[in-house]
Amino acid sequence: AQSVAQPEDQVNVAEGNPLTVKCTYSVSGNPYLFWYVQYPNRGLQFLLKYITGDNLVKGSYGFEAEFNKSQTSFHLKKPSALVSDSALYFCAVRDIGDDYKLSFGAGTTVTVRA
Amino acid sequence: DAGVIQSPRHEVTEMGQEVTLRCKPISGHDYLFWYRQTMMRGLELLIYFNNNVPIDDSGMPEDRFSAKMPNASFSTLKIQPSEPRDSAVYFCASSLAGTGNQPQHFGDGTRLSIL
Repeated sequence: AQSVAQPEDQVNVAEGNPLTVKCTYSVSGNPYLFWYVQYPNRGLQFLLKYITGDNLVKGSYGFEAEFNKSQTSFHLKKPSALVSDSALYFCAVRDIGDDYKLSFGAGTTVTVRA
Repeated sequence: DAGVIQSPRHEVTEMGQEVTLRCKPISGHDYLFWYRQTMMRGLELLIYFNNNVPIDDSGMPEDRFSAKMPNASFSTLKIQPSEPRDSAVYFCASSLAGTGNQPQHFGDGTRLSIL
């Protein structure tokens, strides 16, 4: 079985400050990990993924994520947040070798204040 | 590039009526997924298809829900009869097969309200 936890319902930061959105996962094997962002009245948009290799993954809009196998975490980061980064963020996991279903976290609402 | 296209964007209907949601996946994608999003339950996978064949429908809540994919470019999700608790945003997503590491691409959803 696979699952994802996003421990924070909300994250609030000031524009220009670093942004971190936390995610921990549970899989029986090795994971594929994804981050998505959702803006109001829109579908989820893919930001980045971890498959294998370098633990630091770079994605769209200046976001990056760090895979930590020992802590089973995949936190999303942005060095300098923008007001336009305010949105709902989802972490998702798929167990390699499993079927094609993704398990999504409950989501974290990010608010960046000017 | 055209993304995943869903129609209608909004649907308001009375309970007991039949509702049909439509999805056109990205051309060339092998997988198609239907999700439901609510405040209470978050994002739930209802069913997914591979090459037009349903693979896993364990998330379909009841027999009132059915999904079809008659060809590679079209899928429907039908609710008959509809109930107020079916009110939600329904998303369709598609992806390439690859080795399972391909991201899913989502449409903008259908906001369904059952009165």
